[in-house]
Amino acid sequence: AQSVTQLDSHVSVSEGTPVLLRCNYSSSYSPSLFWYVQHPNKGLQLLLKYTSAATLVKGINGFEAEFKKSETSFHLTKPSAHMSDAAEYFCVVSEDNDMRFGAGTRLTVKP
Amino acid sequence: NAGVTQTPKFQVLKTGQSMTLQCAQDMNHEYMSWYRQDPGMGLRLIHYSVGAGITDQGEVPNGYNVSRSTTEDFPLRLLSAAPSQTSVYFCASSYWTGLGETQYFGPGTRLLVL
Repeated sequence: AQSVTQLDSHVSVSEGTPVLLRCNYSSSYSPSLFWYVQHPNKGLQLLLKYTSAATLVKGINGFEAEFKKSETSFHLTKPSAHMSDAAEYFCVVSEDNDMRFGAGTRLTVKP
Repeated sequence: NAGVTQTPKFQVLKTGQSMTLQCAQDMNHEYMSWYRQDPGMGLRLIHYSVGAGITDQGEVPNGYNVSRSTTEDFPLRLLSAAPSQTSVYFCASSYWTGLGETQYFGPGTRLLVL
């Protein structure tokens, strides 16, 4: 079965500095990969998704992620963090009818 | 469109009690699913359905039952609640389960089992 590992449980950055949230996956074949964001006491919102088209995927709010098959990675980046980016981020791999979530990375943004 | 709705938002149960978490969507989505979210474990799939009358187990199905009599509704039943079922439950839906399909999530139900 597919699985996801988010390499950092907590990332802290200063406002205006770059964000890097790391995700490695394992999958039997070409997976679909997603990043979802969850703000406190809210449901999950899709940031971006990879579906075997362009390897560099652009999402909402200035986020992007690069699919690297050789490294089985799908890291999420943003050039400049904003206070509103503080949230929990989930990397997700999907095969057939099954979605597997990473444990999540909590992003803190300091003023 | 209301999207995906869940009721109740919060529930306290005693061990052994039963209850049903409700989930409804008005987007005519075929695929619906239930997840539980626990600290440090992300979301784990409990059960899912690919259409009315069809359900299947996910990663953590024990202690939960589901049915799908209509396209719109996908209730989750706890027949005899246990403290280990204290969690936040999310319902999600999508048009189908094909490659890259986006899931739409409800706001969640916070369940506390004493």
